Amino acid sequence: QVQLQQSGPGLVKPSQTLSLTCAISGDSVSSNSAAWNWIRQSPSRGLEWLGRTYYRSKWKNDYALSVKSRITVNPDTSKNQFSLQLNSVTPEDTAVYYCARTQDGSLGDYWGQGTLVTVSS
Amino acid sequence: QSVLTQPPSASGTPGQRVTISCSGSSSNIGRNIVDWYQQLPGMAPKLLIYSRNQRPSGVPDRFSGSKSGTSASLAISGLQSEDEADYYCAAWDDSLKGHVFGGGTKLTVL
Repeated sequence: QVQLQQSGPGLVKPSQTLSLTCAISGDSVSSNSAAWNWIRQSPSRGLEWLGRTYYRSKWKNDYALSVKSRITVNPDTSKNQFSLQLNSVTPEDTAVYYCARTQDGSLGDYWGQGTLVTVSS
Repeated sequence: QSVLTQPPSASGTPGQRVTISCSGSSSNIGRNIVDWYQQLPGMAPKLLIYSRNQRPSGVPDRFSGSKSGTSASLAISGLQSEDEADYYCAAWDDSLKGHVFGGGTKLTVL
C-alpha cells in the first residue's frame, strides 16, 4: 500500500520561500513507472497542478507555466521523498497543497493528506 | 478559470442515474486520457476513473466514465447519499505541457 506523508510549515511570509516535503512509503521515488506531483487547491483557483519529478533513465521535471519561474520539485533518493520549493510567495499562493503519485496514466492514484499553507506577514 | 469546463452543480435522488460532463479541447481531452476524482469535505481528492474507464480497486462499478472527441462524462448509477461530494475531471494538456483540471461539480443527493 502506497502512502504519502506531507510535512512543512503552515505559515510563510510574503516574498519568502514555501517548502514542503512528501515522504513515500510502499514505492520508490526512483520508480521507472511513476511520477511525483505537487498540486494545490484554493477557493479562487480551484485545483491547480504545479509540477512533477520522475525518473526515466535520468531525472526529469515538468512545471506549470503559471509558476515555472518560481518552482522547484526535487527528489531525495536517500530519504525516498520529494520536495516542493516555491519562491517569492504572495497571498495568492495561500492554498491547500497536495503531493500525489502518477501511475498507469492517472494523475493521482495516491495523494498526501494535504497541507494548508497561508502566506501572511 | 479552469481549462476544462464542468457544470458547477448537479443533483439527483437516491437510485437515480446522474451524469457530469467535462468539456476540453484537442490538446487535452481530444488526445489524452481523462481522470475523474471525488472529493469529500476536508479530504484529498480520490481517484474514481482513469485510463479507458478503469476503476481503482474499491471503487464501485456504479461509477463509469466515457469520452467522445473533446468531451468526457462521469456517470453514477444507483445514486446513494454517500455520493454527495465534489467531482473533478483532469487530463494532460499537450500544449500547456501539464495536467489541467475542471472547475469541479458539486453533486447533491436530494
